[in-house]
Amino acid sequence: AQTVTQSQPEMSVQEAETVTLSCTYDTSESDYYLFWYKQPPSRQMILVIRQEAYKQQNATENRFSVNFQKAAKSFSLKISDSQLGDAAMYFCAYRNHTFNDYKLSFGAGTTVTVRA
Amino acid sequence: DTGVSQNPRHKITKRGQNVTFRCDPISEHNRLYWYRQTLGQGPEFLTYFQNEAQLEKSRLLSDRFSAERPKGSFSTLEIQRTEQGDSAMYLCASSFLGSSQETQYFGPGTRLLVL
Repeated sequence: AQTVTQSQPEMSVQEAETVTLSCTYDTSESDYYLFWYKQPPSRQMILVIRQEAYKQQNATENRFSVNFQKAAKSFSLKISDSQLGDAAMYFCAYRNHTFNDYKLSFGAGTTVTVRA
Repeated sequence: DTGVSQNPRHKITKRGQNVTFRCDPISEHNRLYWYRQTLGQGPEFLTYFQNEAQLEKSRLLSDRFSAERPKGSFSTLEIQRTEQGDSAMYLCASSFLGSSQETQYFGPGTRLLVL
């Protein structure tokens, strides 16, 4: 079974500054997907960004970017120009790229607080 | 597209009672997933359906848990003889087989409290 580890329970960032969330994972597979999901307080989880393991180029979505280090099994999320609306719990998730194995394995999450 | 909906949003029950939750996926999404999230933790996979077929069940899904998706549309998750350890947020997600990214879209969840 794949395990996903988020070692930072909480992170705080000043508005307009940058924060980086760390994630490591354990797998014996060579092809898989990695995700960052955002869960605002009392609201549903939404996808922030995804990365296919076979792609060397790091994914970016507006102010969100990842640093994918396949050999190190590391997948960090950088939030640039932080906004108050970025305050949420962020989950790193893993999914195999295997037929009929579509479940997501999540880390324990990192709570991000944005200071005005 | 109204998104994934779940009902009820909150449920309080007494230990030993049965509860049933409903999930309505995004229309035309043929895959549906159930996860459980306890306080301060990430979601854990319970089971998933492709159309009406239940293709995988986690070890977490004890005999007291049963899930159905009778017509390949909405799904129900029933917990029989609830225990205090069942208290959690139950999340439903759906995705479309065949889409290039097959993103799982999550519902707002049903928060269960077993007294």
